[in-house]
Amino acid sequence: GAVVSQHPSRVICKSGTSVKIECRSLDFQATTMFWYRQFPKQSLMLMATSNEGSKATYEQGVEKDKFLINHASLTLSTLTVTSAHPEDSSFYICSARGSSGAFFGQGTRLTVV
Amino acid sequence: RKEVEQDPGPFNVPEGATVAFNCTYSNSASQSFFWYRQDCRKEPKLLMSVYSSGNEDGRFTAQLNRASQYISLLIRDSKLSDSATYLCVVSYQGGKLIFGQGTELSVKP
Repeated sequence: GAVVSQHPSRVICKSGTSVKIECRSLDFQATTMFWYRQFPKQSLMLMATSNEGSKATYEQGVEKDKFLINHASLTLSTLTVTSAHPEDSSFYICSARGSSGAFFGQGTRLTVV
Repeated sequence: RKEVEQDPGPFNVPEGATVAFNCTYSNSASQSFFWYRQDCRKEPKLLMSVYSSGNEDGRFTAQLNRASQYISLLIRDSKLSDSATYLCVVSYQGGKLIFGQGTELSVKP
């Protein structure tokens, strides 16, 4: 079946630094990928829709200058959390839609200290 | 009002019990419906799609009522391994998924 690979699975960074998270579709092409964030005991919240070759579409309340999305190829989308702060600590998950449904990356647990 | 609302949890049930989860959605433009399962600190995994005609997969039965904008999941003969959070998910054109807050299920021996 379709596989989506997300890297890194866990990252701890200092406040003020930037963190890049990669999401790859391994055996299918994804013109659209989605980025979600999940805080403890809460559900996944859609942050943005990543479109290959064009600008990402951000959900209301998500700062596009803070969460930079690049979808440079049909198999790779990246999310960069810029100038991270402790309140950005969360579980970030990407998703890509294949022919048989939506598939999720393994998630990235970000801790900002 | 949240776009997708689920029963508040947690549900604590004994092995072998039957448990039902309910979900409502507010946007009539919703196109597809799913139940996902999420284990602690892991990514969600598709449990089953939900169709108006109802569908069954082993011990799991899902129902969709478009008129009432209501989705359900029934788990029969609960197993310890069914313990997880169950997410009601609605999708729109373009593949955007909206998740409910999830219902935690704990199956006890």
